[in-house]
Amino acid sequence: QKEVEQDPGPLSVPEGAIVSLNCTYSNSAFQYFMWYRQYSRKGPELLMYTYSSGNKEDGRFTAQVDKSSKYISLFIRDSQPSDSATYLCAMIIQGAQKLVFGQGTRLTINP
Amino acid sequence: DAMVIQNPRYQVTQFGKPVTLSCSQTLNHNVMYWYQQKSSQAPKLLFHYYDKDFNNEADTPDNFQSRRPNTSFCFLDIRSPGLGDAAMYLCATSRVTGANVLTFGAGSRLTVL
Repeated sequence: QKEVEQDPGPLSVPEGAIVSLNCTYSNSAFQYFMWYRQYSRKGPELLMYTYSSGNKEDGRFTAQVDKSSKYISLFIRDSQPSDSATYLCAMIIQGAQKLVFGQGTRLTINP
Repeated sequence: DAMVIQNPRYQVTQFGKPVTLSCSQTLNHNVMYWYQQKSSQAPKLLFHYYDKDFNNEADTPDNFQSRRPNTSFCFLDIRSPGLGDAAMYLCATSRVTGANVLTFGAGSRLTVL
């Protein structure tokens, strides 16, 4: 079983839709949860991160962590064509050496 | 702008012909990482440096080596590329180890013929 599971998609939605991207994980010791966005032929860039359980909002983006279910989500409201990218979840145990990434979900927003 | 620069962006090599990919950073970060990312797969950490201390992942093949001659530069050497080594190679930096915030370069895409 992979430590972090992410539906690879592809996911295609019309402009303006609400998008939900999800990851599940198996290690309850993970404490920091990140979402990276990767445009085609570019490196990943950090979008948001949360510590432990709860919600965090940044503009049209909301990150949600449910540690009891070992489940994290990224919601995108009023999705735009410029949101078309691969979204990678990542997580880390405090004090550990490295991030553990999901495989990424390819998202396309159609005008 | 402070950033992470990878060269070349695209590299084509022949089976078994050595390749070197480079990474430079202007962020003055202590840690530099090399990831391998294959299509629709999670980035896989190959190794990282904290300053000059080298940390190899247990499952990184011996075919992959790295050098960090100074704070700003890091190189990935693939001694004898095989077809299975075709991938995007991502360099990333962070201020400290175990950081949740990494700054990535744009990647070097390797094709092996």
